[in-house]
Amino acid sequence: EAQVTQNPRYLITVTGKKLTVTCSQNMNHEYMSWYRQDPGLGLRQIYYSMNVEVTDKGDVPEGYKVSRKEKRNFPLILESPSPNQTSLYFCASSLSYAGFGRYEQYFGPGTRLTVT
Amino acid sequence: GENVEQHPSTLSVQEGDSAVIKCTYSDSASNYFPWYKQELGKGPQLIIDIRSNVGEKKDQRIAVTLNKTAKHFSLHITETQPEDSAVYFCAERNNAGNMLTFGGGTRLMVKP
Repeated sequence: EAQVTQNPRYLITVTGKKLTVTCSQNMNHEYMSWYRQDPGLGLRQIYYSMNVEVTDKGDVPEGYKVSRKEKRNFPLILESPSPNQTSLYFCASSLSYAGFGRYEQYFGPGTRLTVT
Repeated sequence: GENVEQHPSTLSVQEGDSAVIKCTYSDSASNYFPWYKQELGKGPQLIIDIRSNVGEKKDQRIAVTLNKTAKHFSLHITETQPEDSAVYFCAERNNAGNMLTFGGGTRLMVKP
């Protein structure tokens, strides 16, 4: 089944304790992205990757890191989490970022992170 | 950067009625406008999209209209059903094609 998976689905942690949220897709997609969802703000893009070893900042990159060593995986790293990073996080992927019909982004199920 | 405003933030309709959600955007170079539906506990899922060279697109009970001059686009759902209840997000794709900017979302409730 074609899908985007994220782990963990739920995480409660404390300020300053490094954590990684994994994201994997099995559709051979070039483009992957991380978003955070907060009430009233919609989804805001944190980082995106157009291909292996190619990553760039989105609208809200502060406090986050990413890497894209393999095409299928795009982990999100919080080196020193703070309470304002408490949010619902979504990973997404699409076939490409260019070319009509290739834009559709497929979203993972989400990771609810609480930082105390 | 790009900005997308979405209205209303909540919408309650009776089953069988129509629902309309509107979005305005700021970047006149944007060329692709998708709509996503998010059900409780799930990630958003694309339901319809439109490119900038098209004014309207329909898919069964849902339709999207785009007014490039006024920089706004709308989602229309006819004959609403309880399973249409969800949060809906509009978005715009920037000209470079590497980023989507989302609206704040609309919680649609369809009362049986």
